Amino acid sequence: QVRLIQSGAEVRKPGASVKISCKTSGYTFTTYTLYWVRQAPGQRPEWMGWINAANGDTKYSQRFQGRVTITTDTSAYTAYLELSGLRSDDTATFYCARAGTWDAFDVWGQGTVVTVSS
Amino acid sequence: DIQMTQSPSSLSASVGDRVTITCRATQTVSRYLNWYRQKPGEAPELLIYAASTLQSGVPSRFSGSGSGTDFTLTISSVQPEDFATYFCQQSFTTPITFGQGTRLEIK
Repeated sequence: QVRLIQSGAEVRKPGASVKISCKTSGYTFTTYTLYWVRQAPGQRPEWMGWINAANGDTKYSQRFQGRVTITTDTSAYTAYLELSGLRSDDTATFYCARAGTWDAFDVWGQGTVVTVSS
Repeated sequence: DIQMTQSPSSLSASVGDRVTITCRATQTVSRYLNWYRQKPGEAPELLIYAASTLQSGVPSRFSGSGSGTDFTLTISSVQPEDFATYFCQQSFTTPITFGQGTRLEIK
């Protein structure tokens, strides 16, 4: 059974950074690209970036460029999202998702709530 | 960036009703159009990919059609678990973009 399990909720002050993990199981880690998505309350999901788990190539949304870093630990079958310079409008649920056929997100993590507040 | 627009933004239906949601892209996405259902407090769930292919394990009451810029999602007979929000998504090019969502409510 394919699963993506994310780390728990975080609270940060404005200007701080947060690092979220996404531990995968049930499939060959290096076979798929992993995406990160932000969803603010009541809003549509917003793509942040992806990482090719086979070679570590990354691509980031221009909207988050300079603030986001996506990495993997292949030995731990885990991907990470780090977001710096947090602002109040970064308060959201962050999801990792696996890209399957036609780059559709066929498996999602359960989400990690990040609250940014002074 | 390709903008995705869904209509309607919300609709009311009864169990057993047939409902259709549309999604329009500002430029062609070929058939790289996916549909998701999101229940409150949960992650989105893939229903349809490549415009019309049913994801494994998804009930056959869901169907999709379209290509290019205009797409539809149809639920042939709405069930209680279908009252949720639906998003379309284009995976044709980055940035990957989603529609604003359609909230399906109980009439």
